[in-house]
Amino acid sequence: AQKITQTQPGMFVQEKEAVTLDCTYDTSDQSYGLFWYKQPSSGEMIFLIYQGSYDEQNATEGRYSLNFQKARKSANLVISASQLGDSAMYFCAMREGGWTGNQFYFGTGTSLTVIP
Amino acid sequence: DTGVSQNPRHKITKRGQNVTFRCDPISEHNRLYWYRQTLGQGPEFLTYFQNEAQLEKSRLLSDRFSAERPKGSFSTLEIQRTEQGDSAMYLCASSQALAGAEQYFGPGTRLTVT
Repeated sequence: AQKITQTQPGMFVQEKEAVTLDCTYDTSDQSYGLFWYKQPSSGEMIFLIYQGSYDEQNATEGRYSLNFQKARKSANLVISASQLGDSAMYFCAMREGGWTGNQFYFGTGTSLTVIP
Repeated sequence: DTGVSQNPRHKITKRGQNVTFRCDPISEHNRLYWYRQTLGQGPEFLTYFQNEAQLEKSRLLSDRFSAERPKGSFSTLEIQRTEQGDSAMYLCASSQALAGAEQYFGPGTRLTVT
């Protein structure tokens, strides 16, 4: 089974609108971490947001928020007030194994296009 | 600190040749990761170091691949007897040894095997 599943290969959003990028994960660990990264056409991976499995509140970082639904094993990224510069590939990732966990799994990504 | 750097940025080699890539992590980061990314896919984990110790290797890392981090600072990834299937972007990332520590990625080395 895939550790990280991103079912939306491509998404479009109007500038200034909000968009949700889906991510589901599969793990039997109690302690794990969930990450979202942005990869613009330049290729560099940029960290956006982190959610720990024991965090009770959804993580937020500026215009990014993570909608964490533990029972459903989903960790959707919400981008509010989309900007043209948000057009990029977005990857969901999971770190398993608690404090010493060192195995990262990435999804196949979602390509987001912001339309002016 | 200027972030994670990787050299070279691009490498074109003929099938059967050996190649070596270098990664310089952020200086205070003791964890270092290597990934491979092919077009349309997310990064695939290859191997991981904590300081100079290589703690984990993916099954993807065949015996033609070897990685070192001799002094716990920079790391090298060598591919011997390259094959066309090795063509990919090779990404290096570093992080602190904390549970929620994000990985900072380098710009990658794009390998093309002809």
